[in-house]
Amino acid sequence: EIVLTQSPATLSLSPGEGVALSCRASQSVGSYLAWYQQKPGQAPRLLIYDASNRATGIPARFSGSGSGTDFTLTISSLEPEDFAVYYCQQRNNWPLTFGGGTKVEIK
Amino acid sequence: EVQLLESGGGLVQPGGSLRLSCAASGFTFSSYSMSWVRQAPGEGLEWVSIISAGVISTFYADSVKGRFTISRDNSKNTVYLQMNSLRAEDTATYYCAKGAVSATRHFDNWGQGTLVTVSS
Repeated sequence: EIVLTQSPATLSLSPGEGVALSCRASQSVGSYLAWYQQKPGQAPRLLIYDASNRATGIPARFSGSGSGTDFTLTISSLEPEDFAVYYCQQRNNWPLTFGGGTKVEIK
Repeated sequence: EVQLLESGGGLVQPGGSLRLSCAASGFTFSSYSMSWVRQAPGEGLEWVSIISAGVISTFYADSVKGRFTISRDNSKNTVYLQMNSLRAEDTATYYCAKGAVSATRHFDNWGQGTLVTVSS
């Protein structure tokens, strides 16, 4: 099973700041990594698929990069609605796996 | 607009069974893989199972293999999750998720979830 490690677990930031979230895989997943955003009481929302492709309707301030075992989700300037938990997920190997999440909270 | 509506959750005793349903609309259901993903209270996301479009194939997380069965009825635009031999650790919100257009094992639309509680 591929283990995805997200760091840090929590980030405290202010609106307007930029942030880079990390997701590291225990073995290569190629480019087959997605990022999701989840707000309290809501279902997850797909942000990025296959490492760097923005999903439909996702603002340009969200971008993804990386391949192999190291991936990054970058939010260029945090909007108030961006404070949430972010998960990565790989689709290269069975079983499909998620990272443990990074919570981005308001400082 | 894509809509996924889960139902069938509730309280069940350990060892019991439940069948979850997910009614889909707003897209050509038969053309997309469908998955179930769960989230225990206060915890992260865990993929549970997937069923392909077209020639049917299914895959399961090790934690549910042999106990859960995923199926679909394309005539009803519905995917199901039959859960048997339920355990306390199966307690979670269960989400139905649609395979992404260009990446079928990523999930581009999610339902709002249905809560399953396994407790005596």
